[in-house]
This record gives sequence, structure tokens and C-alpha cells, in this order.
Amino acid sequence: DTAVSQTPKYLVTQMGNDKSIKCEQNLGHDTMYWYKQDSKKFLKIMFSYNNKELIINETVPNRFSPKSPDKAHLNLHINSLELGDSAVYFCASRKPSGEQFFGPGTRLTVL
Amino acid sequence: GQSLEQPSEVTAVEGAIVQINCTYQTSGFYGLSWYQQHDGGAPTFLSYNALDGLEETGRFSSFLSRSDSYGYLLLQELQMKDSASYFCAVRDPGGYQKVTFGTGTKLQVIP
Repeated sequence: DTAVSQTPKYLVTQMGNDKSIKCEQNLGHDTMYWYKQDSKKFLKIMFSYNNKELIINETVPNRFSPKSPDKAHLNLHINSLELGDSAVYFCASRKPSGEQFFGPGTRLTVL
Repeated sequence: GQSLEQPSEVTAVEGAIVQINCTYQTSGFYGLSWYQQHDGGAPTFLSYNALDGLEETGRFSSFLSRSDSYGYLLLQELQMKDSASYFCAVRDPGGYQKVTFGTGTKLQVIP
């Protein structure tokens, strides 16, 4: 059983397009995150949701819009993709003790 | 805000012991975690220190000194499979659950 899953694993698209990444966790955790990892491997938090409610929204362009239909799902929609959006995007869920479980990542390439 | 500094690269010999340091500057502190990430993979949780001292989990130990704003990850009996990037991370206190990751240390284990 996969704890945190993301789709798609790879996403190649043209500048200006709109795309979505889906994330699901079957761990029963209340808190989920989206992270962006750039080419230098720097892992930066983008959003955090707790029980379907947005609780952290870092300085991310408003082209990025998370949506949580229920506490097991946290999707990320990106409008008007730019070259600088190319990165690996990780979804994660968090135990109450703090330990985070990461999804396999989505490698986004914008051409 | 939070900032965490780690050495960018460390090389060590198979069977040896290696220490990866993390120094942090935070406006609040709720514990130091360590994550391992193999190339192409997702970060996976290794350990968590909420209080000063050493936590041991098999070949891996993690140490925290809150007065020095410093922690380290100690890997013993190094194996080739330990070649990976290692990230320290701090969690904000309070209800927002923000996690800030360090700059990451790429460990290369050589025969």
C-alpha cells in the first residue's frame, strides 16, 4: 500500500499551459504539504493544509493554487506555466509527532 | 524567519563514521529532524530531536544542542547505500506547522 502517492510522476509541457498535480495519502493524517525542490536540491515549502484548510501559504505566485477536496487529498494547479517553474514537486503528509511522509515527486519540465 | 546551514558535500570511506552538521537560526524552535534523499527519490524521515542530547536509531544517531543552535547526524559503519543527500529541518512552534529544510549535504561513500 502506497502511503503518499502523486500523479503524474513526470510532466513535460509548454510555457503558458495550465497543469495539475494530484496527491493522495492513506495514512489518516490531518496535515499535508506541497514542496518545491529546485535543481540545487533546495527543498522549499509552498503550502500546508490542515484538515482541508489552508494554513501556510508561502510567497508563491498566485498562478499556483492548491485545492483540498478532503483531508486525504491535496492537489496543485498551476496556471500559465513559466520556465522557472521547472522543478520537482513533492507532496507530503505529517504525523502529529512531526514526521513527514513524502510522495514520490512530480518532475515538471517547462519548455 | 528560519535558516539552516549544512556543508554542501562530504566524502567518507565505506565502514567509517561520518558526521553531518547543521547550524540554525530560528525565530522559534520546535525540534530538529533529519531526512535522507537518494538521487531521484523522495526524502525519507530518519530522526527527530526535541530535546538536547543524542538519539540513536541503529547505525544513525542525531544530536541536538539548543543552546548552541546546532545539531548533527552521525552515520556509523558506512555502507555504499548511504550515499545520498541529507537534510536537517526545523519545525516552527505554534499551530502553523511550518517546516524549514536545510541546504542539504550530499554524502558520497567510497570503497
